[in-house]
Amino acid sequence: DVKVTQSSRYLVKRTGEKVFLECVQDMDHENMFWYRQDPGLGLRLIYFSYDVKMKEKGDIPEGYSVSREKKERFSLILESASTNQTSMYLCASSSPDKGPGELFFGEGSRLTVL
Amino acid sequence: GNSVTQMEGPVTLSEEAFLTINCTYTATGYPSLFWYVQYPGEGLQLLLKATKADDKGSNKGFEATYRKETTSFHLEKGSVQVSDSAVYFCALRAGAGNMLTFGGGTRLMVKP
Repeated sequence: DVKVTQSSRYLVKRTGEKVFLECVQDMDHENMFWYRQDPGLGLRLIYFSYDVKMKEKGDIPEGYSVSREKKERFSLILESASTNQTSMYLCASSSPDKGPGELFFGEGSRLTVL
Repeated sequence: GNSVTQMEGPVTLSEEAFLTINCTYTATGYPSLFWYVQYPGEGLQLLLKATKADDKGSNKGFEATYRKETTSFHLEKGSVQVSDSAVYFCALRAGAGNMLTFGGGTRLMVKP
């Protein structure tokens, strides 16, 4: 069964802390994405990656960075967490050869910043 | 730029009622259109898609028709069940690449 796994379902951090959100996929997909989901705003793209060591900014990259050292792993980093980054974070992967536009999502990581 | 607008929820229906969730879009070129569903406590999963005008996507009793003239992709189901309670997202993909633009989501609650 294909899978996108996010390392933490729930996190509570303090303002100013560094936060790592990890995502691993087992489908050998080239593309990986990080979205944040907020009520009424839907999903907004933070960063995406089309290949190892490649990264591209999405619509709301400010305050975030990413790392993709291996094809299966895509990490989202909050260098200094702030309360307005309290949100649900969703990782997704896809392959242009296997259903363009079809994203496979993890279960999400709900981050609370106090 | 690209955008997707969905009707605001929550939509509350009784079991076996008819469902429509409206979705309209703005896009350059000829987008592909998608409906994703998010069940409680889970990630999003693809429900159905349509890649060109007049295509109808269907899955699990849900249907949506790609209407280029009205730039719409409304989701319908003839008889909803309690298990359909979820948040539904309309999305589009336009141009090269696999990036999707999502609507705000519509929560559906079905009561027995």
